[in-house]
Amino acid sequence: DTAVSQTPKYLVTQMGNDKSIKCEQNLGHDTMYWYKQDSKKFLKIMFSYNNKELIINETVPNRFSPKSPDKAHLNLHINSLELGDSAVYFCASSPTGGRAEAFFGQGTRLTVV
Amino acid sequence: AQSVSQHNHHVILSEAASLELGCNYSYGGTVNLFWYVQYPGQHLQLLLKYFSGDPLVKGIKGFEAEFIKSKFSFNLRKPSVQWSDTAEYFCAVNAGGGATNKLIFGTGTLLAVQP
Repeated sequence: DTAVSQTPKYLVTQMGNDKSIKCEQNLGHDTMYWYKQDSKKFLKIMFSYNNKELIINETVPNRFSPKSPDKAHLNLHINSLELGDSAVYFCASSPTGGRAEAFFGQGTRLTVV
Repeated sequence: AQSVSQHNHHVILSEAASLELGCNYSYGGTVNLFWYVQYPGQHLQLLLKYFSGDPLVKGIKGFEAEFIKSKFSFNLRKPSVQWSDTAEYFCAVNAGGGATNKLIFGTGTLLAVQP
């Protein structure tokens, strides 16, 4: 039973398109995140939500819009895709608290052509 | 701002060799430290974590890490690596709390173990 699941796993799309990535966790965690892993494997937080409320927005272009319909789901919508958006996007979840480890999804490899 | 440095970007070892991967962080307050592993094509998995107490922490698959507060370091070690340890290793710090959890990752170290 997958703890944090993302769909799709792979996404290839043309520049200018709009796409969404979905994430769901069944761990009962209060906090969910989106991380971006670039081609050099560097992982950087984009957003975090706690109980459906946006907590962290790390100077991400406003073409990226996260949405959390409930605390088990955090989706990422990207408008007007650019070549530089190509990356692996990881969803994660954790309980609230600095000692809590984050559980990651399998990642979505986005390729913009 | 908090940051994490991993000095070894690419490490190549033979099976049975000992491993030590360096990790330094910059943050003056209380930190929570983590090592994650990413096997090829997979998601990140937790290897071990340190919050307080004994500075030598043991994780899964024979890995351990030592927290040295005076050096702001949290190095990962394994006495004898296996081919299956080939992966990317990430050190991370979480200096947030409550709802402001935020893992800051290092740039990662790619470990290649040759049989």
